[in-house]
Amino acid sequence: KQEVTQIPAALSVPEGENLVLNCSFTDSAIYNLQWFRQDPGKGLTSLLLIQSSQREQTSGRLNASLDKSSGRSTLYIAASQPGDSATYLCAVSVYNQGGKLIFGQGTELSVKP
Amino acid sequence: NAGVTQTPKFQVLKTGQSMTLQCAQDMNHEYMSWYRQDPGMGLRLIHYSVGAGITDQGEVPNGYNVSRSTTEDFPLRLLSAAPSQTSVYFCASSYVSGRARETQYFGPGTRLLVL
Repeated sequence: KQEVTQIPAALSVPEGENLVLNCSFTDSAIYNLQWFRQDPGKGLTSLLLIQSSQREQTSGRLNASLDKSSGRSTLYIAASQPGDSATYLCAVSVYNQGGKLIFGQGTELSVKP
Repeated sequence: NAGVTQTPKFQVLKTGQSMTLQCAQDMNHEYMSWYRQDPGMGLRLIHYSVGAGITDQGEVPNGYNVSRSTTEDFPLRLLSAAPSQTSVYFCASSYVSGRARETQYFGPGTRLLVL
């Protein structure tokens, strides 16, 4: 059974720091991996999607990497800002099962001014 | 595009009552799904659909029914509400394949309280 784990559960950093969020999964037979952002009381916003054949994706100050063989992904946030404060979730799409996603528990990020 | 819309935003039910959570998308996505989000449990898949007329169970389907008569709509029915169904419910949609390559778009959520 596929399980997704995110470490740490919470992270507090001063503004301007570069930071890394971690995601690990137990079964490497994934179709893709997505990183989402969730603001309190809101829905999920997709940040980056990495296909299983890709190693990384970049969008602005965000860079996500994928190492399928080791079952790990990282989300790198450069020059963090208070507006980056949110919960970040990673999710894997189960192979050959359409768009079914299995989520990690999330990392709650707080960026202090 | 409105994206994925959900109604109502908030609902209070008494144990035993039934209700339907509405979900609609205007992106012509084949795939739609329902998740519930609970503290300490994360997001869990309830039901999903890969196209009109096709639905399947997810991880936690008990107590919920779905149907998909059109591409746009995917309602979730609570048959007899229980306090354990108190949660935040999210609807999501995506292309199964193509240029979007399964980027999932989520609705704003419905907060349900069962007393």
